[in-house]
Amino acid sequence: NAGVMQNPRHLVRRRGQEARLRCSPMKGHSHVYWYRQLPEEGLKFMVYLQKENIIDESGMPKERFSAEFPKEGPSILRIQQVVRGDSAAYFCASSPALANYNEQFFGPGTRLTVL
Amino acid sequence: AQSVTQPDIHITVSEGASLELRCNYSYGATPYLFWYVQSPGQGLQLLLKYFSGDTLVQGIKGFEAEFKRSQSSFNLRKPSVHWSDAAEYFCAVGPIQGAQKLVFGQGTRLTINP
Repeated sequence: NAGVMQNPRHLVRRRGQEARLRCSPMKGHSHVYWYRQLPEEGLKFMVYLQKENIIDESGMPKERFSAEFPKEGPSILRIQQVVRGDSAAYFCASSPALANYNEQFFGPGTRLTVL
Repeated sequence: AQSVTQPDIHITVSEGASLELRCNYSYGATPYLFWYVQSPGQGLQLLLKYFSGDTLVQGIKGFEAEFKRSQSSFNLRKPSVHWSDAAEYFCAVGPIQGAQKLVFGQGTRLTINP
């Protein structure tokens, strides 16, 4: 059973370009979470999605950031018009359908560098 | 607001020595508590978790942690560290007020001296 997969692992963008980060959850998992890790910091929650639904986006910046988890295909975190401050590691986690609380399994992350 | 504090940013221990990494949380109810390890350039791997019951929990790689409600702490311990334990360690709590997100501490970087 493959783990959580993220691609690309490394992404370089120039200021003003768009970044698209992909996350495929573990087989059988229907819940996806995105976290951001700035240099020398811990992970910060961004958004929690189920298939075709955004459940909690309280950690998402108000502008330029969006996320989706379509019925088919991976979850996508999109950052429009990237700025240098967006340089970070972006981690995706997944969990199965909720029963009280489920452990989140993390992917290897996408390291975004904005030049 | 809920928060997790890891007071030690960087710890260095000698191989074979014992280890304790501190974690304190601020949360109104008894949270679910986690310790994750992150090797350089890698994702996070769950070491152990506490939901309820026995306050001393055993994890992978010889790690254990003890939940102390009176101190709002969940410290991670290992009796004898190995060079391969060098990594970043994160304490986390969740869920938060019914929200399924995890709140992480700032992390503790562990260096092992040969």
